[in-house]
Amino acid sequence: DGGITQSPKYLFRKEGQNVTLSCEQNLNHDAMYWYRQDPGQGLRLIYYSQIVNDFQKGDIAEGYSVSREKKESFPLTVTSAQKNPTAFYLCASYSLLPYQPQHFGDGTRLSIL
Amino acid sequence: GQQLNQSPQSMFIQEGEDVSMNCTSSSIFNTWLWYKQDPGEGPVLLIALYKAGELTSNGRLTAQFGITRKDSFLNISASIPSDVGIYFCSHLESEKLVFGKGTKLTVNP
Repeated sequence: DGGITQSPKYLFRKEGQNVTLSCEQNLNHDAMYWYRQDPGQGLRLIYYSQIVNDFQKGDIAEGYSVSREKKESFPLTVTSAQKNPTAFYLCASYSLLPYQPQHFGDGTRLSIL
Repeated sequence: GQQLNQSPQSMFIQEGEDVSMNCTSSSIFNTWLWYKQDPGEGPVLLIALYKAGELTSNGRLTAQFGITRKDSFLNISASIPSDVGIYFCSHLESEKLVFGKGTKLTVNP
């Protein structure tokens, strides 16, 4: 079945450590997005990419980095510069042409040890 | 970016009751999307609206794209316990999907 796969489901980070969250899609979607969700809050955009080898900062990009070397993959690295990384991270993708609304993965919950 | 004002923030209802929630924006847009998020899961698309005045149903769910293009509402009829979750409205602004802060729905059996 086509879909968006995020891994791992749960991730723990030590202080000063970088961690990478995986997002893979087999929907042949051009655009991929990363969001952060805090308890009781909506979704805030971290980074997005509409084409391979190109990406743009969202509203809260500081302390995060991404790459888009393949159409199917858009990994997110939470760096040690992100001082409050504990959150639920959601990856999404959608088709630009023809337009189809965004579909989400099941999320990764990141916690600090 | 534009803010989406979603209300109410939370709702506590009895099973079988109807539910209504809405979303407003200060700007006009060409799409309104409604998502539902179960605890610990990613949001799932419920209904997509693309035309002012459009009224669309999906089972017990009905959503409308306001005539002014600045608002949308979502109704759930005859609620059941599995309707519990957070409902988000969103729209496409340039390349970005902007979300409301969500309506948290609790259904008491």
